[in-house]
Amino acid sequence: QSALTQPASVSGSLGQSITISCAGTSGDVGGYNYVSWYQQYPGKAPKLLIYDVIKRPSGVSNRFSGSKSGNTASLTISGLQAEDEADYYCCSYAGGSTWVFGGGTKLTAL
Amino acid sequence: QLQLQESGPGLVRPSETLSLTCTISGGSISTGAFYWGWIRQPPGKGLEWIGSIYYSGSTYYNPSLKSRVTISVDTSKSHFSLNLTSVTAADTASYYCARGIMDFDYWGQGALVTVSS
Repeated sequence: QSALTQPASVSGSLGQSITISCAGTSGDVGGYNYVSWYQQYPGKAPKLLIYDVIKRPSGVSNRFSGSKSGNTASLTISGLQAEDEADYYCCSYAGGSTWVFGGGTKLTAL
Repeated sequence: QLQLQESGPGLVRPSETLSLTCTISGGSISTGAFYWGWIRQPPGKGLEWIGSIYYSGSTYYNPSLKSRVTISVDTSKSHFSLNLTSVTAADTASYYCARGIMDFDYWGQGALVTVSS
């Protein structure tokens, strides 16, 4: 069970759109529609942003969207705001009631 | 509103056992078909799933930690626990408990555990 692959850092200008990728295998991302994304501020617990690849929990801004193609999932943030500057993690179900996280991506809003 | 709270020693000696408890308020493990899990994050690093216990009592562990991890639930279903044996400095991390179905929708605030002599 290897960690999913995310870029270490991503940056974008305020108002722009950015996309964070999450690469896995057919045994996790590619095999199940159970990819979730989390936002984490320093010193805080992660917060669920996206679940089941594309669904948003109640209260999460529609500026956040998820997608998947093959073994790679993506999180897109549109209309980038200063408050979006945080760490983002993907997570995938990996079968057998096990889960695997990505290494995390630090988003800088310029 | 469901709330989770981790508790346990903040310092553990090398080779000893790390023990944490997650107390649930505003809900119960036996209410609904949820997984109740433990996730950890070493300082400055990413998240790692440790293991989960299903509401039925079945347990599932990260293969890389399986030989050292036990997750259990108390009979009142108001808390569940993590035991990690033979700890080393590499086990120093913030430990989170969380609930979910195929994701983790509720999280505790986290408990920092340092392994040091």
